[in-house]
Amino acid sequence: DIQMTQSPSSLSASVGDRVTITCRASQSISSYLNWYQQKPGKAPKLLIYAASSLQSGVPSRFSGSGSGTDFTLTISSLQPEDFATYYCQQSYSTPPFTFGQGTRLEIK
Amino acid sequence: QVQLVESGGGVVQPGGSLRLSCAASGFTFSSYGMHWVRQAPGKGLEWVAFIRYDGSNKYYADSVKGRFTISRDNSKNTLYLQMNSLRAEDTAVYYCAKDEAVTTLAATFDYWGQGTLVTVSS
Repeated sequence: DIQMTQSPSSLSASVGDRVTITCRASQSISSYLNWYQQKPGKAPKLLIYAASSLQSGVPSRFSGSGSGTDFTLTISSLQPEDFATYYCQQSYSTPPFTFGQGTRLEIK
Repeated sequence: QVQLVESGGGVVQPGGSLRLSCAASGFTFSSYGMHWVRQAPGKGLEWVAFIRYDGSNKYYADSVKGRFTISRDNSKNTLYLQMNSLRAEDTAVYYCAKDEAVTTLAATFDYWGQGTLVTVSS
């Protein structure tokens, strides 16, 4: 199975900050990498698919990059509603379709 | 608009069974593969199972293989998860999620239900 490792596990930042979260796959997954945002008590929401494509309706301050084994999610200017937990997920080849352990983004 | 509404969660004893349902609306259900994803309390997300748009192919996580069965009724726009031989470690919120690709497997979850809580405890 492909293992996904996110860093950091938690992060404190302020409104207006630029934030980067990284995700590493245990083997090459080309660009088969998605990012989700989850707020407490809510279902996850798709932000980025295929490593760098912005899901419809998602603000342009969110961006994704990377290919192969190393990926990043960047929020260019944090807004109050962005404080949440973020997960990467690989969609490469056959199941299982594994998630990273999550990165909790908190207000400083 | 796409809506996915899960039901059927509850408290069950170890070794027991439960069937979850997910009612879909707002899209052509019979054209999309569907997934179940779960989240144990305070933990991360775990993919559980997938079923093709026509029910012809199914995949499972090793942790549930042989105990859980995914199925669908396209005439009722409903997805199911039959869970047998339940264990304490199956305790989680179970989400149904739509695959973003038409008639194929992309494993990109573009819409999610609100989730239903399954608690396995004596």
